[in-house]
Amino acid sequence: QITLKESGPTLVKPTQTLTLTCTFSGFSLSTSGVGVGWIRQPPGKALEWLALIYWDDDKRYSPSLKSRLTITKDTSKNQVVLTMTNMDPVDTATYYCAHSGTVTSFDYWGQGTLVTVSS
Amino acid sequence: DIQMTQSPSTLSASVGDRVTITCRASQSISSWLAWYQQKPGKAPKLLIYKASSLESGVPSRFSGSGSGTEFTLTISSLQPDDFATYYCQQYNSYSLFTFGPGTKVDIK
Repeated sequence: QITLKESGPTLVKPTQTLTLTCTFSGFSLSTSGVGVGWIRQPPGKALEWLALIYWDDDKRYSPSLKSRLTITKDTSKNQVVLTMTNMDPVDTATYYCAHSGTVTSFDYWGQGTLVTVSS
Repeated sequence: DIQMTQSPSTLSASVGDRVTITCRASQSISSWLAWYQQKPGKAPKLLIYKASSLESGVPSRFSGSGSGTEFTLTISSLQPDDFATYYCQQYNSYSLFTFGPGTKVDIK
């Protein structure tokens, strides 16, 4: 059974750096073809893909946010970490991590964590 | 970047109706399209991948079709559990993933 869970601060101040951790179980991020991605959703708005890391440590980022994002993995801890710099109120959103077993879509999702950016 | 559009943005339907949602890509994405269902306060759920492949455990009343730039999600007979927002998502090897703006299916 694959499960994922996001953790991190619920409130960050503008200009601060956000660090989110995705802790997963039921699969290994060293298995060929597997990836873990981050997707966010501002309140009442659509989904936006942020970043994805593959089993072979290949990392991909949304072109519009690439300069602010870093994704890493710790295979031994079954964790993926996303950092986003220079947070702004427009970054207020629910942040999801998700498993990609097909490369082209996300088949298992975490419950999401709401991050509010406010001074 | 590849842009995704969906129509309609809102759809009012009754239980038992046949429902079709359209998703268009700004350039060809072959068959690299997925569909998700999202209910309020919940994470999205994968319904369809590679345009027409039904995810395991998803009811057969859901189907997907299309290739290139135009895709459809069809619900053959709408059930009470199907009232939700539906998103399409494209994949390409350059910019990876883009989601559509969503289609809300509500009760007529």
